[in-house]
Amino acid sequence: QVQLVQSGAEVKKPGASVKVSCKASGYTFTSFGISWVRQAPGQGLEWMGWISAYYGNTNYAQRLQGRVSMTTDTSTTTAFMDLRSLRSDDTAVYYCGRNRCSGGNCYIDYWGQGTLVTVSS
Amino acid sequence: DIQMTQSPSTLSASVGDRVTITCRASQSISNWLAWYQQKPGKAPKLLIYKTSSLESGVPSRFSGSGSGTEFTLTISSLQPDDFATYYCQQYNIYYTFGQGTKLEIK
Repeated sequence: QVQLVQSGAEVKKPGASVKVSCKASGYTFTSFGISWVRQAPGQGLEWMGWISAYYGNTNYAQRLQGRVSMTTDTSTTTAFMDLRSLRSDDTAVYYCGRNRCSGGNCYIDYWGQGTLVTVSS
Repeated sequence: DIQMTQSPSTLSASVGDRVTITCRASQSISNWLAWYQQKPGKAPKLLIYKTSSLESGVPSRFSGSGSGTEFTLTISSLQPDDFATYYCQQYNIYYTFGQGTKLEIK
């Protein structure tokens, strides 16, 4: 069965960086892309970007451009999301999700369990 | 950017009720719309994709319709397990989520 297992909770100081991992299993990793979505406490879902696990190309949400990087390691079927220059409003649960595509249009069919990142001095 | 607006923000209903949630896009997204259910402390769960296609394993009381800019999610007969928050998501150009509709027990 498809599983996405994320790394554990993190506490970071403002200005620091965080790297969240997402270990995929139960499917051919390079056949699907990975999206990252975050959810601030009590708020809705915000798309952060996605990466093709096959080609490695990325698309990032404009408001995070320059602070976020997404990568994959096909040898360990793991995706990573790096967020730099952390601010208090980056405090959120971060989710990875598998992209299922129909032509060029993709949606998330499986989600990781989420990783809480807390930014606090 | 495409904006997605859900209504209502909160909906109070009883077990057995038929409920409808609406999602409007700021521009046409064809039929590239998905619906997710989220329970507290859990990841979202895919219910419907491409406006009206039911994800495998999702009960048939869930249905979706619409096209262009206006879409609906209908639950034909509410069950206790359905009380949750629902999000629409467009995937015509990148992704945008609606702000969510919290379905509460009346």
